[in-house]
Amino acid sequence: KAGVTQTPRYLIKTRGQQVTLSCSPISGHRSVSWYQQTPGQGLQFLFEYFSETQRNKGNFPGRFSGRQFSNSRSEMNVSTLELGDSALYLCASSPAVRDHNSPLHFGNGTRLTVT
Amino acid sequence: GENVEQHPSTLSVQEGDSAVIKCTYSDSASNYFPWYKQELGKRPQLIIDIRSNVGEKKDQRIAVTLNKTAKHFSLHITETQPEDSAVYFCVARGLTGGGNKLTFGTGTQLKVEL
Repeated sequence: KAGVTQTPRYLIKTRGQQVTLSCSPISGHRSVSWYQQTPGQGLQFLFEYFSETQRNKGNFPGRFSGRQFSNSRSEMNVSTLELGDSALYLCASSPAVRDHNSPLHFGNGTRLTVT
Repeated sequence: GENVEQHPSTLSVQEGDSAVIKCTYSDSASNYFPWYKQELGKRPQLIIDIRSNVGEKKDQRIAVTLNKTAKHFSLHITETQPEDSAVYFCVARGLTGGGNKLTFGTGTQLKVEL
């Protein structure tokens, strides 16, 4: 079974631009979560989608948004990029959201650099 | 919300020794505690998890313990090997908000020296 696939692997953007990251979950997984990883803040939860609906949201500004499609693939968008948005963005999938004990499986991430 | 503290931030051991990483959590409603290992430049990978109705779980050289009363949980690695060198994250997930919102500890950089 293929793992969680994230594209692109690397991105370089300029301040003020916007960016869209993509995540394809493991086949059969319906929950997709997004995390931001930085050296200073560690791994922080952005949001989670299940059945095309946002189920949970972390403490990030409205510039960070996401969506999920009917095939469970998810995208996240960051608008008006700031230097502090430079990070590794990780996507994780899980079979369900109501099974509170289902483990998360992470993708390899997208490394975003904002200049 | 949930807060997870993790210690130590760095840990250096000799090959064959044991390594212990300790975490505390704040939300008494948390009921699932996975541990992830992240090698340099790679994705976090689940190595073991424990649920709140279990006090200890072991998988070969790795064991986790959970003390719900004290809100402590720990990772124990025995007979460490160079390939164990990585960053380890403890994680807590609670019922508040539900779903898959995980709160990560700040990570422990484990270095196993020959």
